[in-house]
Amino acid sequence: GNSVTQMEGPVTLSEEAFLTINCTYTATGYPSLFWYVQYPGEGLQLLLKATKADDKGSNKGFEATYRKETTSFHLEKGSVQVSDSAVYFCALSGGSNYQLIWGAGTKLIIKP
Amino acid sequence: EAGVAQSPRYKIIEKRQSVAFWCNPISGHATLYWYQQILGQGPKLLIQFQNNGVVDDSQLPKDRFSAERLKGVDSTLKIQPAKLEDSAVYLCASSLGTAGEQFFGPGTRLTVL
Repeated sequence: GNSVTQMEGPVTLSEEAFLTINCTYTATGYPSLFWYVQYPGEGLQLLLKATKADDKGSNKGFEATYRKETTSFHLEKGSVQVSDSAVYFCALSGGSNYQLIWGAGTKLIIKP
Repeated sequence: EAGVAQSPRYKIIEKRQSVAFWCNPISGHATLYWYQQILGQGPKLLIQFQNNGVVDDSQLPKDRFSAERLKGVDSTLKIQPAKLEDSAVYLCASSLGTAGEQFFGPGTRLTVL
């Protein structure tokens, strides 16, 4: 069945460091891929998405490229800020009901 | 535009008690989802509604969990009786349709003692 695996956290970085959070998936067909973010005390928010191979999703300085050959959708940001501290979830959408299949989440801590 | 509303935000109960959660989706959103998020895990879909009909409830523990969406708008999720392992955050989300972006409420944090 479909599944998503993302790197375990917490990931701790200093402000202005480069960020990569790895995400790989297993799926039949051609799923859409998503990154959601959950800030402390808030609900999940869609950060970015990609709907087909080689698409790049981007938002708020974050980017992720849909790599079909490596079944990956790694999240990157060139220079992180303290305000980026949150939990990041990778997810895929597939099947007839387009249901989301989620990774376990990666907690990101940015220190000033 | 108002977001997805959920209440209560926090609930503490003892095992074997019952509890109910309420969700008001974004106006006009036909699809509504209830998820269970256990600490350290990603959300797990419990039930998906399309208007007032159930699309998928395959992961809903039907011996103790029930959900309804009367009139295709608000929804309630009930647990009766609660078990210790039901301690989690219960998330409600809505979307325009099944393939649309899901918008999430703030969640209800349930602690079962």
